[in-house]
Amino acid sequence: QVQLQESGPGLVKPSETLSLTCTVSGGSISTYYWNWIRQPPGKGLEWIGNIYYSGTTNYNPSLKSRVTISVDTSKNQFSLSLTSVTAADTAVYFCARATTTKRGPLDSWGQGTLVTVSS
Amino acid sequence: SDALTQPPSVSVSPGQTARISCSGGALPKQYAYWYQQKPGQAPVLVIYKDSERPSGIPERFSGSSSGTAVTLTISGVQAEDEADYYCQSADSGGSNVIFGGGTKLTVL
Repeated sequence: QVQLQESGPGLVKPSETLSLTCTVSGGSISTYYWNWIRQPPGKGLEWIGNIYYSGTTNYNPSLKSRVTISVDTSKNQFSLSLTSVTAADTAVYFCARATTTKRGPLDSWGQGTLVTVSS
Repeated sequence: SDALTQPPSVSVSPGQTARISCSGGALPKQYAYWYQQKPGQAPVLVIYKDSERPSGIPERFSGSSSGTAVTLTISGVQAEDEADYYCQSADSGGSNVIFGGGTKLTVL
């Protein structure tokens, strides 16, 4: 059974770059689509973007100018970079696997990591 | 619009049937998926491809589709089903993932 685990700083200063990594275990990253989703406290889910193991990416149009998702197949990891963060980027960030197509379903999720943007 | 619209809340008594709707302009062309999220936990897939149930999900969970709307039905609701439920699909172009705003299911 595949498992996903997010890691990275829990506190980021405004205007800086948020960087997170998702480590995939129990299966190879060299197939399927790998996603980042976030959830501000008390609010709903927002898709950030995804990446195929080959490096092809899709981004939420509302975040596209600030987001980069990359993959490292040698480490079975994929990463998120979000630039110029503000308090509005404070959220629990989840990584998830999409099987079948890039559109879903998201059948395996990490536990999530809270990132707070504050000085 | 490709946006997905869900009711903010649904309340039912134990043993009754809960129906949660999700509407969006791209649903006739794109599959819908449903996730259950309990407080402090990651979402769990409960329905895929409009009406398919993953292994391990109780049979009381079912999904249906009609035009620009999909529905998650929970028959014989149990207290443990109290959670937030999110529908998910894609935009009409098929490149971007979209979530509905979520529905809080309260078991009275």
